[in-house]
Amino acid sequence: EPEVTQTPSHQVTQMGQEVILRCVPISNHLYFYWYRQILGQKVEFLVSFYNNEISEKSEIFDDQFSVERPDGSNFTLKIRSTKLEDSAMYFCASRALNEQFFGPGTRLTVL
Amino acid sequence: AQSVTQPDIHITVSEGASLELRCNYSYGATPYLFWYVQSPGQGLQLLLKYFSGDTLVQGIKGFEAEFKRSQSSFNLRKPSVHWSDAAEYFCAVGSFGNTPLVFGKGTRLSVIA
Repeated sequence: EPEVTQTPSHQVTQMGQEVILRCVPISNHLYFYWYRQILGQKVEFLVSFYNNEISEKSEIFDDQFSVERPDGSNFTLKIRSTKLEDSAMYFCASRALNEQFFGPGTRLTVL
Repeated sequence: AQSVTQPDIHITVSEGASLELRCNYSYGATPYLFWYVQSPGQGLQLLLKYFSGDTLVQGIKGFEAEFKRSQSSFNLRKPSVHWSDAAEYFCAVGSFGNTPLVFGKGTRLSVIA
């Protein structure tokens, strides 16, 4: 069964460093999403992406964040200059019909 | 504003007992409703979903949920809980098209012998 994959599973970085989180959505899906979950809190929407452009973003998704689909398979989330409060689990999702399929997540730890 | 309320932060049940996790939503459009389960350190696994039709939906692992429009609720049930059901459960609401999901804060389920 096709699934969304994410790499790395865990990323540790120093405050101020740039990180890129990678996702491979399910191959025939066209809509992609990033969500994050701060430890012990609910899952929050960051951004949605369709046809090579952002279709919607939340107030969390400020100028430090960017997304890209650099090729036909990968979907990336870049955080330009990480802050301590960016520490969270980041989930990628892709959509078919009205269901979103989530990846296993990348745990980002900012020190 | 769109929101999902899961009023129970933590529930403890005995193995073999029945379970009901509550979920209420506030949503402007026709809601599509989901329950996800998350084991510690793991991703989100879809338990079941409701789009339309029969308001009682069956999911994986013996779970079911009932959509009640009049109460804006989508409660999750299981007749007999197993120790392996211990996890965090999230209710989420979305809609047709490219709308993001709105999640509740989750209910942590503990199962005791």
